[in-house]
Amino acid sequence: DAKTTQPPSMDCAEGRAANLPCNHSTISGNEYVYWYRQIHSQGPQYIIHGLKNNETNEMASLIITEDRKSSTLILPHATLRDTAVYYCISTGTASKLTFGTGTRLQVTL
Amino acid sequence: GAVVSQHPSWVICKSGTSVKIECRSLDFQATTMFWYRQFPKQSLMLMATSNEGSKATYEQGVEKDKFLINHASLTLSTLTVTSAHPEDSSFYICSYLPGTGGTEAFFGQGTRLTVV
Repeated sequence: DAKTTQPPSMDCAEGRAANLPCNHSTISGNEYVYWYRQIHSQGPQYIIHGLKNNETNEMASLIITEDRKSSTLILPHATLRDTAVYYCISTGTASKLTFGTGTRLQVTL
Repeated sequence: GAVVSQHPSWVICKSGTSVKIECRSLDFQATTMFWYRQFPKQSLMLMATSNEGSKATYEQGVEKDKFLINHASLTLSTLTVTSAHPEDSSFYICSYLPGTGGTEAFFGQGTRLTVV
């Protein structure tokens, strides 16, 4: 799995969009970008993944740069329940995951 | 999405005893499950891959005789921490990928082990 770099922490006001960046400059052609989040004392939760194209689902949007060296996870209207550690993972396998240190997102009133 | 049930959610045990943690896939068969460990304020670290009907494969540095994994059926994998010590206190989490060609891993709710 390619190494990813994320800011250690971010704050976001409730109702605003949360934009979480991730650098994966050494990603290889067959590796996807996955995002998971972990709410305190729970198991990780899948959010979204993509290869080249931007992706959107009911939870979030994933924007991947054309050179695939970085991506941004967007939570369009953050709520207090989105407070969690967000992990960006670049991997060729969906199952055996290598977690980095992630970004601790704090959503505030 | 798929449901993974992990039991117990927390356990306290005495040093030297063994603790068994169960991980069940409730709606998909899982030929392979994964066990992670997470120390306080750290990230998840993969411990081992549990294979149904065969021996588990362990990551480097993980003692296979201390962390016994059994995957006897397609819906159940167990992790037994043998002769537990306080340094084994951690958050243990299982996961699996449903079916063939699945694209998202599902995780259990985790088990917090405290060894006193």
